[in-house]
Amino acid sequence: DTAVSQTPKYLVTQMGNDKSIKCEQNLGHDTMYWYKQDSKKFLKIMFSYNNKELIINETVPNRFSPKSPDKAHLNLHINSLELGDSAVYFCASSHTGRGETQYFGPGTRLLVL
Amino acid sequence: QQPVQSPQAVILREGEDAVINCSSSKALYSVHWYRQKHGEAPVFLMILLKGGEQKGHDKISASFNEKKQQSSLYLTASQLSYSGTYFCGTVVYGGATNKLIFGTGTLLAVQP
Repeated sequence: DTAVSQTPKYLVTQMGNDKSIKCEQNLGHDTMYWYKQDSKKFLKIMFSYNNKELIINETVPNRFSPKSPDKAHLNLHINSLELGDSAVYFCASSHTGRGETQYFGPGTRLLVL
Repeated sequence: QQPVQSPQAVILREGEDAVINCSSSKALYSVHWYRQKHGEAPVFLMILLKGGEQKGHDKISASFNEKKQQSSLYLTASQLSYSGTYFCGTVVYGGATNKLIFGTGTLLAVQP
């Protein structure tokens, strides 16, 4: 049973396109996150949701819009993709969002051409 | 705000020991350690809470010195399976929301 799953695993697209990444967790956690890992391997938090409510929104372009239909799902929609958006995007979840262990999904490798 | 790790990279032979350091410019209340193997997701290793305690996980242990705002990860008698990038993470408390800020990462390569 996969704890945190993401789709798709790979995404290759042209500049200017719009794309979505989906994440689901079956751990019963209240909090979910989106992280971006760039080519230098820096892992940076983008967004966090607790029980469908947006609680962390880092300095991320408006082209990125997260959505949480329920506490087990967190999606990321990206409009007008740019070359600099190429990265690995990880979804993660944790029990309450108060600094405890985070469980990561396998990542989505996005390449913008 | 991002914790700084040292060294940036280390190459070991199987059976050798290594220490990875994590320093923060901000007060630390807890430190996480994660390992990420190539092409995979980060995986949790351990959390250290305020109090200077040392935790262990197989032959991997860590210490936390909140006065110095530092944590160290100790890998003893390294195995090939220890290869990967190690990240510390510090928790920034913000009322109802807490953020995990990952460090700069340390690439560890264990050779036969």
